[in-house]
Amino acid sequence: NAGVTQTPKFRILKIGQSMTLQCTQDMNHNYMYWYRQDPGMGLKLIYYSVGAGITDKGEVPNGYNVSRSTTEDFPLRLELAAPSQTSVYFCASSWKPPGDTGELFFGEGSRLTVL
Amino acid sequence: AQSVTQPDIHITVSEGASLELRCNYSYGATPYLFWYVQSPGQGLQLLLKYFSGDTLVQGIKGFEAEFKRSQSSFNLRKPSVHWSDAAEYFCAVGVGDYKLSFGAGTTVTVRA
Repeated sequence: NAGVTQTPKFRILKIGQSMTLQCTQDMNHNYMYWYRQDPGMGLKLIYYSVGAGITDKGEVPNGYNVSRSTTEDFPLRLELAAPSQTSVYFCASSWKPPGDTGELFFGEGSRLTVL
Repeated sequence: AQSVTQPDIHITVSEGASLELRCNYSYGATPYLFWYVQSPGQGLQLLLKYFSGDTLVQGIKGFEAEFKRSQSSFNLRKPSVHWSDAAEYFCAVGVGDYKLSFGAGTTVTVRA
């Protein structure tokens, strides 16, 4: 059982480039999330989805876009990369939302550097 | 606004010694509370959670946490630390249905 799989694990971008972080889960979870982790800041929610075709903004959505065409996949798109987007990105999924006993299952993270 | 504070950025503990990690939250209602652990190069894993009922909750890997409403705290404890417990620990508060608010994390170093 693979759980939550993120690709790529590492990426270096130049300012202004675009890229997509891929996230796939094989647990048939309805809820999926993208977080970014910065040193000393904990994790901040970028976007989340409560099911295929439904997405919503989190705390720090600016500069990012998401889509959810299938239950399994929740890609995060970075348009016009900026140095402020240098971070470690985590995708997570859950069977139920956190407020309803929902445990989040995390991927191993994608480390992105924008130069 | 809701917030989660982990006062200790870094804790060093000897193997076999006890460990306590502090977590304080600011939230208007009774929160849902979680502790997650992140081993180096890995994603986060749930250690334990509190929703209601008994204020002392048991988790995986021998960890426990106590919810104290009067102190707005949810401290994590382990009686005897193993070298494999070296990791970063995050306290989180459930904010509404879909969002978790995470603390900044506490890094635990275990010395032999």
